[in-house]
Amino acid sequence: GEDVEQSLFLSVREGDSSVINCTYTDSSSTYLYWYKQEPGAGLQLLTYIFSNMDMKQDQRLTVLLNKKDKHLSLRIADTQTGDSAIYFCAEVMKGSARQLTFGSGTQLTVLP
Amino acid sequence: DAGVIQSPRHEVTEMGQEVTLRCKPISGHDYLFWYRQTMMRGLELLIYFNNNVPIDDSGMPEDRFSAKMPNASFSTLKIQPSEPRDSAVYFCASSPPGGLNTEAFFGQGTRLTVV
Repeated sequence: GEDVEQSLFLSVREGDSSVINCTYTDSSSTYLYWYKQEPGAGLQLLTYIFSNMDMKQDQRLTVLLNKKDKHLSLRIADTQTGDSAIYFCAEVMKGSARQLTFGSGTQLTVLP
Repeated sequence: DAGVIQSPRHEVTEMGQEVTLRCKPISGHDYLFWYRQTMMRGLELLIYFNNNVPIDDSGMPEDRFSAKMPNASFSTLKIQPSEPRDSAVYFCASSPPGGLNTEAFFGQGTRLTVV
């Protein structure tokens, strides 16, 4: 089946770390992505991880993948007010060409 | 490049009217996607094209929806007749040739309100 789930809301204080979680159900996923959507804008790719990796770090962003539990997380270190946005995880499944299946999105609010 | 360009940014129309949404993908990109975003259903893929050919339209909700890509630089999504439940933000995205892991670039979306 194709189902990607995320919690809807997360609030953190400026300077703290944010952890946004995502679960997926299809074990054939090849690539998993994190997209960011700012108000009134389209989605922008933040980072991605290939399914044979456990972790990927890119500056303030750390992606962790637990294939056994089908769990993906995005950690944002030193969260800033400019990080306030909706974050979507998405997967591309083997054999599905370029079709992205998105989660519902997590609204991250960074408090001063 | 200016990115994926969608028009109009906002559209308000009366129920029963025809609505046409437009998209100009990034030059050189050979994949084009139409998504719909609503609070209830999140982001849904409606249809996508490869080299101007529709590959998968299984996400198109009803026959009232149709999409065309007459050339590599232009696509339309048409709703006829429109209904209030079609109100949503419609995104167009494109991606370049390459392997499976190729970034999709999104336009800013068209916010459609059907009253």
